[in-house]
Order: sequence, then C-alpha cells, then structure tokens
Amino acid sequence: GENVEQHPSTLSVQEGDSAVIKCTYSDSASNYFPWYKQELGKGPQLIIDIRSNVGEKKDQRIAVTLNKTAKHFSLHITETQPEDSAVYFCAASTGQGAQKLVFGQGTRLTINP
Amino acid sequence: DAGITQSPRHKVTETGTPVTLRCHQTENHRYMYWYRQDPGHGLRLIHYSYGVKDTDKGEVSDGYSVSRSKTEDFLLTLESATSSQTSVYFCAITQTGGTEAFFGQGTRLTVV
Repeated sequence: GENVEQHPSTLSVQEGDSAVIKCTYSDSASNYFPWYKQELGKGPQLIIDIRSNVGEKKDQRIAVTLNKTAKHFSLHITETQPEDSAVYFCAASTGQGAQKLVFGQGTRLTINP
Repeated sequence: DAGITQSPRHKVTETGTPVTLRCHQTENHRYMYWYRQDPGHGLRLIHYSYGVKDTDKGEVSDGYSVSRSKTEDFLLTLESATSSQTSVYFCAITQTGGTEAFFGQGTRLTVV
C-alpha cells in the first residue's frame, strides 16, 4: 500500500522568512495530494491541494509543487506570520470515490517573532 | 466544520470495556471516515463508509468495528478497549464527487 514520508518533523523559522516541508510517496497510482493544517485542539483543515496532472499550485502565500517522476511534493509558505504556527500534514490518495488518505507524520512549524 | 459533530469529546475508560464513539453530520454526505492520530504516525484510517450499511476496512482496523444505519451517523466501536487504543479519533466526511475531506473536532480517548 501507499506510504508517505514527511520531513522535517519540526521546523522553526523567523517571521517573514519562508518555510518548506517535503513529502515523498510510494504508490504511483496516487494522484491527489492535499496539505492540512492542524491547530491545537482542532481537527485538520485543508489549506491547499494538487492533482498529479499539475506541477505547481499557488494560493497567496502558500504553494505546493509536485514531482511525479521522483514521487515527491512540497509545501512552500512565504512571508511567514505567527498565525502560521501549527502542525502541517501532507497526504496522498488515488482521488477517486472514497478519499482514503494516507498521511505523513506531520511537521510542527513554529514562527519566531 | 462542515456540520460534523463528534461525541463524546473526551472519554476515559478501563481496559476491557466496550466504547462507542459517534460521528454525526448534518449535510447528507455519502462518505464518512474514522481516523486515529498518534504522535509520530500522523493520521491513520481505521474504517470508512460509502453509504448506509456500506463500510470497509482501512489501514488500522484491527480491534475496531463500525456501523452506519443512517446517512448522518457513523459509529466507531472498540469491543474491548486496550491501552494501545489510547488516541485522538477524528471523523471526516467527503462529498460525492469531491476530494476535500472535512474533519470533526476529535475525540480524545484514554484507556487505563
């Protein structure tokens, strides 16, 4: 089955700097790659996603890139702000019917003022 | 929160006792899921449902059963709780034809 690896497990950056989180996946059949943000005491919330027919997607300060050949995808956050501090998860699925997401282990991002 | 309510939000139970967690949704979504979240493992799929009385196993289904007798309710049962089932449990839904998963607030279960 699918296996998703996520790095780093913790990341600390200065406010205003950029943050990058990377994930690799194993199943070439996966074609849907969402990123979730989880704040303390809450459920994960989708922040951006990408399908395998697209190499990059951007939404304001957040972007995701996908390299299908290498089976890895990355989350880029620019101009980081204190409210970006949270745990971020990548995930992968085949994107059809039931969304059986396989998650990475998570990255705790801390933005230092 | 896409109309998802999990109950209870917190529960402490003893080893060997049965436990049922409830996920209730108000928007008639077809697909419902149960995940558990543990440090170092992210979220892992336990069971999912693709309609009333239609369920299937996920990655970590051993020791868990589910039922869906109504569209709006998806129940997760631990027949005989063990300490390894101490975790935070999340219910999620996806819309038919959609990809975005919406998660509930979670249930923190402690088995002592």
